[in-house]
Amino acid sequence: ILNVEQSPQSLHVQEGDSTNFTCSFPSSNFYALHWYRWETAKSPEALFVMTLNGDEKKKGRISATLNTKEGYSYLYIKGSQPEDSATYLCASSGGANNLFFGTGTRLTVIP
Amino acid sequence: DTGVSQDPRHKITKRGQNVTFRCDPISEHNRLYWYRQTLGQGPEFLTYFQNEAQLEKSRLLSDRFSAERPKGSFSTLEIQRTEQGDSAMYLCASSPRSLKGETQYFGPGTRLLVL
Repeated sequence: ILNVEQSPQSLHVQEGDSTNFTCSFPSSNFYALHWYRWETAKSPEALFVMTLNGDEKKKGRISATLNTKEGYSYLYIKGSQPEDSATYLCASSGGANNLFFGTGTRLTVIP
Repeated sequence: DTGVSQDPRHKITKRGQNVTFRCDPISEHNRLYWYRQTLGQGPEFLTYFQNEAQLEKSRLLSDRFSAERPKGSFSTLEIQRTEQGDSAMYLCASSPRSLKGETQYFGPGTRLLVL
């Protein structure tokens, strides 16, 4: 079992603000780090998979970075919009076939 | 674009009853996973299949739980003699290949409430 932690647990930001969340994971036996966005009543949506130290991925206004040596990843949202309101989950596979998830960061963007 | 589908989306049952959930993965995905999410927690792994073979089961999967994927396509998860602690969101995911770190594509989940 991998201990994956996310902070903060929840976050309220004003529309237009930029924000970021943290995911920490065991750096030993690391294989891949996944970010998902989960809107209420919908399926979790895969955002990024990162495997290499220093990886940076971008999708529109959302980007993520990976530091495997110290065991953390950041997710950034630039110019938050109300439609960005969701729970953002990170997960590490650590070489296992399944994913080990954090408890998520619940983002609310206030219009 | 047909993603992963799950049925039913919601289930309310009384303690002691049996329930069965179905997952239809993305066509031709050979890996299928079941996860469970309880309040305040992230999804936790239950079991996974590669084609029709169940290759791994979590210690969370007590003997009241059984999962099948008879033809390597859809899967069912049955819970016998449900308990209130079984109340959770049950998520299914599939991935196209048998590679570690492969993206898993999730369904919308089945929310179970045991009264």
